[in-house]
Amino acid sequence: GAVVSQHPSWVICKSGTSVKIECRSLDFQATTMFWYRQFPKQSLMLMATSNEGSKATYEQGVEKDKFLINHASLTLSTLTVTSAHPEDSSFYICSARETSSYNEQFFGPGTRLTVL
Amino acid sequence: GQQLNQSPQSMFIQEGEDVSMNCTSSSIFNTWLWYKQDPGEGPVLLIALYKAGELTSNGRLTAQFGITRKDSFLNISASIPSDVGIYFCAGQLGNNDMRFGAGTRLTVKP
Repeated sequence: GAVVSQHPSWVICKSGTSVKIECRSLDFQATTMFWYRQFPKQSLMLMATSNEGSKATYEQGVEKDKFLINHASLTLSTLTVTSAHPEDSSFYICSARETSSYNEQFFGPGTRLTVL
Repeated sequence: GQQLNQSPQSMFIQEGEDVSMNCTSSSIFNTWLWYKQDPGEGPVLLIALYKAGELTSNGRLTAQFGITRKDSFLNISASIPSDVGIYFCAGQLGNNDMRFGAGTRLTVKP
């Protein structure tokens, strides 16, 4: 089946630094990738939709200058949390939709970000 | 945006019991999906439903896409300890628009 990986699986950083999270589709091409954020004991909230070769579409309330998304290839999307603060600490999960697939999204294992 | 109401919020059951959870929405969806998430992991797709009225099984799991396209349920029969986790429903209208329910936390006592 389709596999999506994320790197790193967890990261701890100091307040004010930037953190980059990678999302890769390992055995399929993904025209579209999605970034979600999940706070403890809460549901997944869509942050942005990332389309290969074009600018990401951000959900209302998500700052595009703070959460930079780059989808440079059909197998890689990156999310950079710039000038991270403790309130950005969360579980970040990406998903990818196969180019030929109508609906199904395959999720990565998530990245736990802790900002001190 | 579309709001999904998922219930119950949590369940504590004995091994062997059946489980039922559901999601309702004020808006219609074209696709309903059910995911399971283990702690510290991403969601894993259990069942996808693409047509109103569709009833689909995956082993001990059965899910249905409501006729009104505004609801779905998931049943788990004869629960086992490894069924423990958080179950999320998700509704999708277009290709890029998936919304998740708040989740049902399932605990199975051996």
